[in-house]
Amino acid sequence: EIVLTQSPGTLSLSPGERATLSCRASQSITNSNLAWYQQKPGQAPRLLIYGASSRATGIPDRFSGSGSGTDFTLTISRLEPEDFAVYYCQQYGSSPRTFGQGTKVEIK
Amino acid sequence: QVQLQQWGAGLLKPSESLSLTCAVYGGSFSGYYWSWIRQPPGKGLEWIGEINHSGSTNYNPSLKSRVTMSVDTSKNQFSLNLSSVTAADTAVYYCARGSKITFFGVVIPDAFDIWGQGTMLTVSS
Repeated sequence: EIVLTQSPGTLSLSPGERATLSCRASQSITNSNLAWYQQKPGQAPRLLIYGASSRATGIPDRFSGSGSGTDFTLTISRLEPEDFAVYYCQQYGSSPRTFGQGTKVEIK
Repeated sequence: QVQLQQWGAGLLKPSESLSLTCAVYGGSFSGYYWSWIRQPPGKGLEWIGEINHSGSTNYNPSLKSRVTMSVDTSKNQFSLNLSSVTAADTAVYYCARGSKITFFGVVIPDAFDIWGQGTMLTVSS
């Protein structure tokens, strides 16, 4: 099983600032099959990024993903008020599918 | 526009079985694998398993002994049964669309792009 470790656990930032979230895998992820999701309280997760760097339909271009192998990054270039939420990475290159433990982006 | 609508019992006693169903509206049912994912209160996400239109399944080894998934292609629905529940199974359960299946039957791994609204299960005596 691939274990995904996200850092930091919590990121305290102000609107307009840049957010950089990290996801490290315990082994290389096949074909960069790595996704990022955003989750707000009481809602289902929403797909932001797939294939490590491709934005899902309707996702603003302030969200970008990068990385390969075992190290991946989600960057939010300028935080909007609606971006404060919990973010999860997930690998779908092998079974079982696994998620990171999440990074909470909170208002400073 | 594809939508997933799920339903099932929300309160169970220990040792009972969970049964949830998810209906797929507005898109291809046979062209994907369909997953169940859960999230305990205040915690992260755990993949339970997946099923395709022909009933082929993949389960998370951590739950495999208690999980059964089934499919009803006439209704574009898939279901989860989790036996012998305990308090540790208390969570929000989501259905979601995952990997693609091509016309030639090749499976292309993919992220979970469409999610159901979630069903809260509480296990309590």
